[in-house]
Amino acid sequence: EVQVLESGGDLVQPGGSLRLSCAASGFTFSSYAMNWARQAPGRGLEWVSGITSSGGTTYYADSVKGRFTISRDNSKNTLYLQMNSLRAEDTAVYYCAKMNGDYMRSSNFDYWGRGTLVTVSS
Amino acid sequence: DIQMTQSPSSLSASVGDRVTITCRASQSISNYLNWYQQKPGKAPKVLIYVASSLQRGVPSRFSGSGSGTDFTLTISSLQPEDFATYSCQQSYSIPFTFGPGTKVDFK
Repeated sequence: EVQVLESGGDLVQPGGSLRLSCAASGFTFSSYAMNWARQAPGRGLEWVSGITSSGGTTYYADSVKGRFTISRDNSKNTLYLQMNSLRAEDTAVYYCAKMNGDYMRSSNFDYWGRGTLVTVSS
Repeated sequence: DIQMTQSPSSLSASVGDRVTITCRASQSISNYLNWYQQKPGKAPKVLIYVASSLQRGVPSRFSGSGSGTDFTLTISSLQPEDFATYSCQQSYSIPFTFGPGTKVDFK
């Protein structure tokens, strides 16, 4: 059974840092692109960042570019999101989402975790 | 970036009703449009991919159509487990973008 499980969410002060992790199981992790998406309270889903199966290419939303870094360790079946210079508007539930292949126009997010809550507040 | 809009933002329906949700893209995205279902506290779930293909394991009462800029998700006969929020997402270009969601609740 495919599973992705996020961890690392916490309360952090503005300007602070946090690292999220996503542990994957039930599929060949190194064969699939992975992504982070988020949902702020009362808002819709927002794609945040993605990384190809090899880790060689990364993508970011403009809202997080230069502050967040996505990475993966295929030997540990784990995806990461390093978040720096956090702002109040980064407050959200952060989801890890597996892609059904690598980046193609026909791609979709076929498995998601339940999310981890990041709250940025003083 | 491609902007996605949805209508309505919410709707009230009864079990057995036919429900239609509309999604519009700010530019043509061919058929690169996916639909997701989300329930409170649970992981989002893909229902429809490339506009009209049913994800394995999703009941056949769900269907999708459209191309270009206008798309629809239809639930032919609403079931109790279908009360949820539905979001569209374009995969035509990065950054991927989602619609704001349509909440389906009990009438």
